[in-house]
Amino acid sequence: QQQVKQSPQSLIVQKGGISIINCAYENTAFDYFPWYQQFPGKGPALLIAIRPDVSEKKEGRFTISFNKSAKQFSLHIMDSQPGDSATYFCAAMLSGSRLTFGEGTQLTVNP
Amino acid sequence: GAVVSQHPSWVICKSGTSVKIECRSLDFQATTMFWYRQFPKQSLMLMATSNEGSKATYEQGVEKDKFLINHASLTLSTLTVTSAHPEDSSFYICSATHLGTNYGYTFGSGTRLTVV
Repeated sequence: QQQVKQSPQSLIVQKGGISIINCAYENTAFDYFPWYQQFPGKGPALLIAIRPDVSEKKEGRFTISFNKSAKQFSLHIMDSQPGDSATYFCAAMLSGSRLTFGEGTQLTVNP
Repeated sequence: GAVVSQHPSWVICKSGTSVKIECRSLDFQATTMFWYRQFPKQSLMLMATSNEGSKATYEQGVEKDKFLINHASLTLSTLTVTSAHPEDSSFYICSATHLGTNYGYTFGSGTRLTVV
């Protein structure tokens, strides 16, 4: 009930391409879905987040697509850049409770 | 924006000694702080949740006597790894929530602990 499944485990994209990372959750009570970006040796940083009452949220090159009926959400990185190379974690949370993280996706953007 | 400062960023200690890691919320009051452990190429594993002024709640399998957590004020939480062993070597990360905000979780920059 508390799991969040993330795929792929690793992703290699060419500069300028679109990076897509998918997550699926089980607990329908989750009401907050953030994505975090983590560089080596650093803590995670909030990238973008969505609530289940909207199907899409866009901030710059980053977009979250949310499918409530399928219990899935995804991160799209448009015009991927080498500086986007990092590990990305999806997460889900029930308000007032703790974050449940996905397994992480190591993204490499080749120049 | 909300900032969480974590120190030290890295530490090397000898087996059997204790190490203290500090987590400070610099510009907001953190009612709750979380401590995570992360192994290479793995996700964050929640170790414990600490609320200001009360005892920490530990996740199953985490030794409370080994990982001492103190949250004495709304801006400071500490994690002390007692009698450290090489298997305690890991990346430790704290996170804090904003007072009055349900969704504001800010992470520290992490501490790389190496026990030799």
